[in-house]
Amino acid sequence: DGGITQSPKYLFRKEGQNVTLSCEQNLNHDAMYWYRQDPGQGLRLIYYSQIVNDFQKGDIAEGYSVSREKKESFPLTVTSAQKNPTAFYLCASRKGLAGGRGYTDTQYFGPGTRLTVL
Amino acid sequence: AQSVTQLDSQVPVFEEAPVELRCNYSSSVSVYLFWYVQYPNQGLQLLLKYLSGSTLVKGINGFEAEFNKSQTSFHLRKPSVHISDTAEYFCAVSARNTDKLIFGTGTRLQVFP
Repeated sequence: DGGITQSPKYLFRKEGQNVTLSCEQNLNHDAMYWYRQDPGQGLRLIYYSQIVNDFQKGDIAEGYSVSREKKESFPLTVTSAQKNPTAFYLCASRKGLAGGRGYTDTQYFGPGTRLTVL
Repeated sequence: AQSVTQLDSQVPVFEEAPVELRCNYSSSVSVYLFWYVQYPNQGLQLLLKYLSGSTLVKGINGFEAEFNKSQTSFHLRKPSVHISDTAEYFCAVSARNTDKLIFGTGTRLQVFP
């Protein structure tokens, strides 16, 4: 069954702790994205990656870090430097490279992880 | 750069009534336009998209949207809503052949019996 999985669905952490959110896809997609969702603010891009071992900052990258060691995996670490980490985090993927062969226009989303920092 | 404005944060409507969710965008280049739906505590699901060609786009669950270039709008419509349509709806835009998708702030559709 192809798709994007995010784990865990709910995550609780104490203030000051780093936490890593998992995102895995078996769609053979090239690009992967992390978004943060807060009530009334829509989705804001944190980081994205087009190929393995390469990633770019989005609009709100401060306090976050990512890695892309494998095509199918794009974990997000929320560090203690992120001032307001409590949010709903969504991972997405898309096939093809921007401007390249095989590019497709649609991003597909995982089910999300709700992070609560106490 | 692109931007998206969803003018209504909430739209209440009775079951079987028609609904229109408004979306306006801004861009200096040609764009792709999307509508996504999000049910509570879930990810986003693509409803429909406009890439090129016919300006009237039909999607899943009986929704449709019309691309209007002169008014830079991409409003979402459904002639008769159901209780199960209660969800949050996001309009999004991307410049063609680029990495990023820019989202509006969302419209919460609440369908009452």
